[in-house]
Amino acid sequence: DIVLTQSPALAVSLGQRATISCRASQSVSISRYNLMHWYQQKPGQQPKLLIYRASNLASGIPARFSGSGSGTDFTLTINPVQADDIATYYCQQSRTFGGGTKLELK
Amino acid sequence: EVQLVESGGGLVQPGSSLKVSCVASGFTFSSYVMHWFRQAPENGIEWLAYINTDSSSTHYAETVKGRFTIPRDNAKNTVDMQLSSLRSEDTAMYFCARERNYGGYFDYWGQGVMVTVSS
Repeated sequence: DIVLTQSPALAVSLGQRATISCRASQSVSISRYNLMHWYQQKPGQQPKLLIYRASNLASGIPARFSGSGSGTDFTLTINPVQADDIATYYCQQSRTFGGGTKLELK
Repeated sequence: EVQLVESGGGLVQPGSSLKVSCVASGFTFSSYVMHWFRQAPENGIEWLAYINTDSSSTHYAETVKGRFTIPRDNAKNTVDMQLSSLRSEDTAMYFCARERNYGGYFDYWGQGVMVTVSS
């Protein structure tokens, strides 16, 4: 099974850029498709889809969120970070989720 | 508006059974693969089970195989999770989610229902 590794936490200042990484134990790219997806979860809420197939913005998600990467290394970028973005972010491939990165204010 | 609403959680004793339900609205339920996930307190997200559109195919995580089942009723727009032989480690928030057109990602999630297994 694929293992997805994320850093547990990231501290960032409001208005700055946040870069959250996810590394897969094996390639998750097939042909032109990068099969990595990103979610945001706030305390007491369900996960919310942000980015699908590595770089596609989900419906209703602000343009300050973006995703990139291929193969085994993927990145979610939030620029600029707003107060409402303080949450835990998960990468996902097939039925596996990363451990989550908690975005905190510096 | 797409909505998924879970119900049926609660406090149960080890070894007992429980059914959690998910009612869908705002989309053609019978056209979508559905999944169940759970999240233990302060933990990450664990995939539990999948059911295809016509119930001809289901898959389960090893941690729940043989104990949980995932029936759906397209006439009622519901997908359930039947939990049995419950253990303390099954204590978690349980979520249903819609898979986007076999895309391998989950575009809508319910708000979750809490299941606590304790004596």
